[in-house]
Amino acid sequence: GAVVSQHPSWVICKSGTSVKIECRSLDFQATTMFWYRQFPKQSLMLMATSNEGSKATYEQGVEKDKFLINHASLTLSTLTVTSAHPEDSSFYICSAKQGGNSPLHFGNGTRLTVT
Amino acid sequence: GENVEQHPSTLSVQEGDSAVIKCTYSDSASNYFPWYKQELGKRPQLIIDIRSNVGEKKDQRIAVTLNKTAKHFSLHITETQPEDSAVYFCAASIRYSTLTFGKGTMLLVSP
Repeated sequence: GAVVSQHPSWVICKSGTSVKIECRSLDFQATTMFWYRQFPKQSLMLMATSNEGSKATYEQGVEKDKFLINHASLTLSTLTVTSAHPEDSSFYICSAKQGGNSPLHFGNGTRLTVT
Repeated sequence: GENVEQHPSTLSVQEGDSAVIKCTYSDSASNYFPWYKQELGKRPQLIIDIRSNVGEKKDQRIAVTLNKTAKHFSLHITETQPEDSAVYFCAASIRYSTLTFGKGTMLLVSP
């Protein structure tokens, strides 16, 4: 089945530094990947839609200069949290799908803690 | 845009009982409704999905029903087991595009 790999699974960084999270589709090509954020005991909130070869589409309220998304190939999308602050601490999850009419599969998530 | 409401937020049942989680959606154009199970600290896992041309779908102990007229869909788990304990999310989308998730239901199955 479709496998989505996300790395790292957890990261601790200091305020002001940047963190890059990778999302890979291991056995399929994904023209579109999605980045979600999840706070404890809350639902998944869509941050942005990552399109291969073009600019990402950000949801309202999500700062594109703070959450940089790059989807340079059909199997890799990256999310960079720039100048991280403690309020950016959260669980970030990517997802991808094989094609138009296929289910969404999630990566294993990245727990970011900013100290 | 689409708005998905999910109830209840928590559900406690005894092992062997049935559990039902209900969701409503606002956009009549939505035609794809997946359900995800998320265990603590792990990724959401797709457990079952339904498309708008079907009223019910079953997979062993899990079933989903869809009422397009009323714009609501439900997850039914029969003969619950402790390992069913998790957070369950419903979602809706138009033609498999961006998913809008409900707020989740924490299911606790007591032995």
